[in-house]
Amino acid sequence: NAGVMQNPRHLVRRRGQEARLRCSPMKGHSHVYWYRQLPEEGLKFMVYLQKENIIDESGMPKERFSAEFPKEGPSILRIQQVVRGDSAAYFCASSPAGGRADTQYFGPGTRLTVL
Amino acid sequence: GDSVTQMEGPVTLSEEAFLTINCTYTATGYPSLFWYVQYPGEGLQLLLKATKADDKGSNKGFEATYRKETTSFHLEKGSVQVSDSAVYFCALSPGTASKLTFGTGTRLQVTL
Repeated sequence: NAGVMQNPRHLVRRRGQEARLRCSPMKGHSHVYWYRQLPEEGLKFMVYLQKENIIDESGMPKERFSAEFPKEGPSILRIQQVVRGDSAAYFCASSPAGGRADTQYFGPGTRLTVL
Repeated sequence: GDSVTQMEGPVTLSEEAFLTINCTYTATGYPSLFWYVQYPGEGLQLLLKATKADDKGSNKGFEATYRKETTSFHLEKGSVQVSDSAVYFCALSPGTASKLTFGTGTRLQVTL
């Protein structure tokens, strides 16, 4: 019974490149959340998606960041033209319908390093 | 906006010692409060929760009480084990909304 899967676990990019982070929710879950953890800080909410819809993107930076959760396939967090300040751990969580906070199941995270 | 403050780590204890990790919050209304645990190389797992004032959440020997008067949700365990070594995160969500606000995490190291 697989949990939330994230890949890659570690990603290295040079400044100006694009980073694509993938999240496969638990089976039967239709809600996905992305959080970012900068060094020495707590996790910060970025975006909440349901299949094919963005529900809340209040935590997403206005430029270079985008997220999608297509009808088929994993959720993708995309960062264009990465900068050193994007280096962080990115966590994905999923939940079944309803979206109550106590039913969010987290993946192991993707550690992004920007050189 | 909402925020969570928890004590800085690392916290190093001997096995069977008493554990307290402090957590205080700032929020409007009546948030739900959570403790998550992250073991090395794994994702965050929900450890316990409380949804209203004076509720006590408990799991695996850990407990925390929702104190509205002091806006606190301190995590306690009477006797820690080496297997409790992990990073502990305090978090809140406003009512039934999905968005979680986390503290910075406290690393616990338990030694024999």
